[in-house]
Amino acid sequence: DTGVSQNPRHKITKRGQNVTFRCDPISEHNRLYWYRQTLGQGPEFLTYFQNEAQLEKSRLLSDRFSAERPKGSFSTLEIQRTEQGDSAMYLCASSTLRHGTYEQYFGPGTRLTVT
Amino acid sequence: AQKITQTQPGMFVQEKEAVTLDCTYDTSDPSYGLFWYKQPSSGEMIFLIYQGSYDQQNATEGRYSLNFQKARKSANLVISASQLGDSAMYFCAMREGSGGSNYKLTFGKGTLLTVNP
Repeated sequence: DTGVSQNPRHKITKRGQNVTFRCDPISEHNRLYWYRQTLGQGPEFLTYFQNEAQLEKSRLLSDRFSAERPKGSFSTLEIQRTEQGDSAMYLCASSTLRHGTYEQYFGPGTRLTVT
Repeated sequence: AQKITQTQPGMFVQEKEAVTLDCTYDTSDPSYGLFWYKQPSSGEMIFLIYQGSYDQQNATEGRYSLNFQKARKSANLVISASQLGDSAMYFCAMREGSGGSNYKLTFGKGTLLTVNP
């Protein structure tokens, strides 16, 4: 396993700009998750894919957020018209059934700063 | 109500000593799983240990063990023989449901562990 990778690792953008993050899961992991982590908090669930289907979205995911996972491989998370409140670490995780559970492996995250 | 509660914002331990990080959870689902993750300053979440709600024995992984008390709804992490590299944030997390559930994790606020030489 090469691990979950995320790009970019850091992104600084001005309020109102659009940003896109990419997540490459561990190969053959059919489930992919996005989480958001703000300072001093644990990660919060944003959305989940099983293969290419987006099966659940959190209420945290406003209309400005969109996520895709074409062909069930990598995933992108786009934020439109960024706001300062979007500043956070965005974590991606992937999983597959092993030992009776879907153990999630996390990537290093993309830290977004909106100025 | 908080689903995962970690009451210790910070903990200190001497190198080579054991330390217990507290976690209580709240769920009405009979099927659930409890996880502990380590997050060093680099930011990556590293899986440490897992306990299923139906597991009869406490989970162990090397120096990590999970003290699972189902009636008390607690899942404390015990780290034995602490090392300087154990200094990090530690998060307790829970997934609820089984089968077709999406297995999303709900995290606590974390405990910052500092290991002193």
